[in-house]
Amino acid sequence: KAGVTQTPRYLIKTRGQQVTLSCSPISGHRSVSWYQQTPGQGLQFLFEYFSETQRNKGNFPGRFSGRQFSNSRSEMNVSTLELGDSALYLCASSLGGDSGGYTFGSGTRLTVV
Amino acid sequence: GEDVEQSLFLSVREGDSSVINCTYTDSSSTYLYWYKQEPGAGLQLLTYIFSNMDMKQDQRLTVLLNKKDKHLSLRIADTQTGDSAIYFCAGRGNTDKLIFGTGTRLQVFP
Repeated sequence: KAGVTQTPRYLIKTRGQQVTLSCSPISGHRSVSWYQQTPGQGLQFLFEYFSETQRNKGNFPGRFSGRQFSNSRSEMNVSTLELGDSALYLCASSLGGDSGGYTFGSGTRLTVV
Repeated sequence: GEDVEQSLFLSVREGDSSVINCTYTDSSSTYLYWYKQEPGAGLQLLTYIFSNMDMKQDQRLTVLLNKKDKHLSLRIADTQTGDSAIYFCAGRGNTDKLIFGTGTRLQVFP
């Protein structure tokens, strides 16, 4: 079965702009989580959605938001981009609940200039 | 608070065993994971262990969990050059979020 698909793979944006990243989970998976990976801070949890509801949120400013659609696809949005938002954004899907494994996509590499 | 620690580097000779260590602070961690990341790629799930287990073996990979000491290790038998990557351990507690370690860069030399 198809894995977790993230689009686009690469993105270059200017400070002050906004960006939307997309994640399609594995078919049947209802939980989608987002993580930010930077050399300085490592992997940090952004938020998690299950059945269109945000269940958990990490310690990121309100400029970072997300949503999940009825088909479990998820988008995350970052408004008023800052240079420090440059990172690899990873999406992970799972069945949700006490199911164990999280499968990650290849990520979207965002560069803010 | 929640914290996961790993050593930063490990260098091994091809054919030897590699042992990557991890300590975590959150005693409520129900699952503990090992992920592999190659350059420019996402995270590949290698294996995971439920907190009521001591050991899990999957082909060349052996995971050992010492819950009392909150210590997790990943042993890779017969390490190959293709195993060179960054390895992350992660814990999952009562909430559905993963807390990752800093990653251990494994370098395999011939």
